[in-house]
Parts: sequence; C-alpha cells; structure tokens
Amino acid sequence: EIVMTQSPATLSVSPGERATLSCRASQSVSSNLAWYQQKPGQAPRLLIYGASTRATGIPARFSGSGSGTEFTLTISSLQSEDFAVYYCQQYNDWPPLTFGQGTRLEIK
Amino acid sequence: EVQLLDSGGGLAQPGGSLRLSCAASGFTFNSYAMSWVRQAPGKGLEWVSSISASGGSTYYADSVKGRFTISRDNSKNTLSLQMNSLRAEDTAVYYCAKEWGRFDNWGQGTLVTVSS
Repeated sequence: EIVMTQSPATLSVSPGERATLSCRASQSVSSNLAWYQQKPGQAPRLLIYGASTRATGIPARFSGSGSGTEFTLTISSLQSEDFAVYYCQQYNDWPPLTFGQGTRLEIK
Repeated sequence: EVQLLDSGGGLAQPGGSLRLSCAASGFTFNSYAMSWVRQAPGKGLEWVSSISASGGSTYYADSVKGRFTISRDNSKNTLSLQMNSLRAEDTAVYYCAKEWGRFDNWGQGTLVTVSS
C-alpha cells in the first residue's frame, strides 16, 4: 500500500498571500496524483489531477506540481473561500486508493 | 450537470446491515466507473470500493472486504453498497463518487452510524 503524507497538518496564512501545501508518497506514483478541497459540511471537490491539471471550473490561482514522490499544491493569492482542508490522493497503484491525512488551511 | 444523490444511511446495530444507494444523472452512467469513499467523524477520507462501468470488475478496501458488496444498475443509473456485519468503526459519512482513480464528482454523502 502506498502511504501518502501531507505537511504541514495546519497552515496559517493571511488572505492575499501564497499558500504552499506538500504531499509525499512512500513510493513513486508518477503523475497520478489528485488534490481535493473540502469545506466544513460539504463533500470534497476535485481541484487538480495528473499532478498539475486543473479540474473543470477551478480558478487559475490553484496550481499543482511534482512527480514521483514529491508534490505541491500552491494557491497563489488566498481568497476567503479557499480556507478549507486539502487532501492529496494517489491513483497510480491500487487497490487500495490512498489519501493523505489532510492539511487544514486556516486564516492567520 | 453531473448530480450524485446519496441515500440509505442511518442507525444500525453492530452486526447489522444497511444498503446505500446513489442516484446518478447528468452523464452517461454506463460509461463510467463508480466508487464509494467514506469519512469517519472528524477524520480524513478513506476509499471503500470501486466498480467498473459494466459492473464486471469490483475492488474493495481490506477493511470492508467480505462484508460490503458494491453493485450497479445501469438501466436505473444507480450505484449501491450493501453493508453487512457492520462494526462501530464503519461509522462514517459515505460518499459516492464518479470514476475510479481520481474522483471527478461526489455525492453529498449519507451518514451511517453503527451503535447499540
């Protein structure tokens, strides 16, 4: 099973600033990596797939990078609606499909 | 617009059963794999099961293998999850999701509580 590890667990950033979230895989997942956003009481929403491709309707301030075992989600200029929990997930080698434990992005 | 409507959650006793359903619309259901993902209260996301577009291939997390059964009815655009031998640790919000691999769209979730 591929273990996904996200860091930090909580990230405090001011609106308008840049946020950088990290995700590490226990073995290579190539570019088969997705990022999701989840707000309280809501279902997750796909943001990024293929490590760097934005899903339909996702603003350009969200960008993904990386391949192999190291990945980054960057939000270039934080808006109030971006404060949420973010999960990475690998789909290179499954079953099982595995998620990171999440990074909570909070307002500083 | 893709819509996934989860239903069937509720309170079950340990050892009991529940059947979840997901009504799909807004896309060609029989062309896409489908999945279930769950989230225990205050916890992260856990993949549960996936099924191919035809229903001919199914996959399960080890934590539910032998107890849960995923199925689909392509004539009714419906995905199901039969959950037997429920345990307290199965308590979670269950989401249906379009596709396997990455999850393009999600239902709103249905809460399953396993408690005596």
